[in-house]
Amino acid sequence: QVHLVESGGGVVQPGRSLTLSCAASGFTFSSFGMHWVRQAPGKGLEWVAIISLDGRNKNYADSVRGRFTISRDNSQNIFYLQMNSLRTEDTAVYYCAREEGFVIKNFDYWGQGTLVTVSS
Amino acid sequence: QSVLTQPPSVSAAPRQRVTISCSGSGSNIGSNAVNWYQQLPGKAPILLIYFDNRLPSGVSDRFSASKSGTSASLAISGLQSEDEADYYCAAWDDSLNGVVFGGGTKLNVL
Repeated sequence: QVHLVESGGGVVQPGRSLTLSCAASGFTFSSFGMHWVRQAPGKGLEWVAIISLDGRNKNYADSVRGRFTISRDNSQNIFYLQMNSLRTEDTAVYYCAREEGFVIKNFDYWGQGTLVTVSS
Repeated sequence: QSVLTQPPSVSAAPRQRVTISCSGSGSNIGSNAVNWYQQLPGKAPILLIYFDNRLPSGVSDRFSASKSGTSASLAISGLQSEDEADYYCAAWDDSLNGVVFGGGTKLNVL
């Protein structure tokens, strides 16, 4: 049974850093690309970042490029989102999601989400 | 402003049929698969439709979808109260090199 569990959310001041983790289980983690998607309070879904199955290829939404870094550890079945220079507009529930199809880019499993609040 | 355009809300009575539109461009819907997600209140999204019109295992066949050119649509027939949720379309965008979502459509079952 596939499980994705995020952790690391919390309250942080603007300009500070925070690292989110997503622990995966129930599937061969190293065979899937992984994504972060966020949702600001009362707003829609916003894609944040992608990392390829081997970790070599990454890309980011323009809103976070240069501030956020996605990484993964296939030996530990976990991937991360390091968030630097946080802004109030980064306040959101952050979901990790598994990319089922490399071409289709559909997210067949999602975590339960972890809330990040950026506030002074 | 979302890259994909959806109506903010739609409403219909139980047992009726409703459609939700999703409009994009050649770099996203026009070139790549469209996926749809359902998000129940307070919950994480779930995959509802993938690859334009395919149903994942376990999803009711009351849900269907189609795509034409740079637009897509989701249809829900035999509406039930438990269908009240937010629905999002999504696709890969070749120009942005990322996934783009619609702004979401809130379905109200009257």
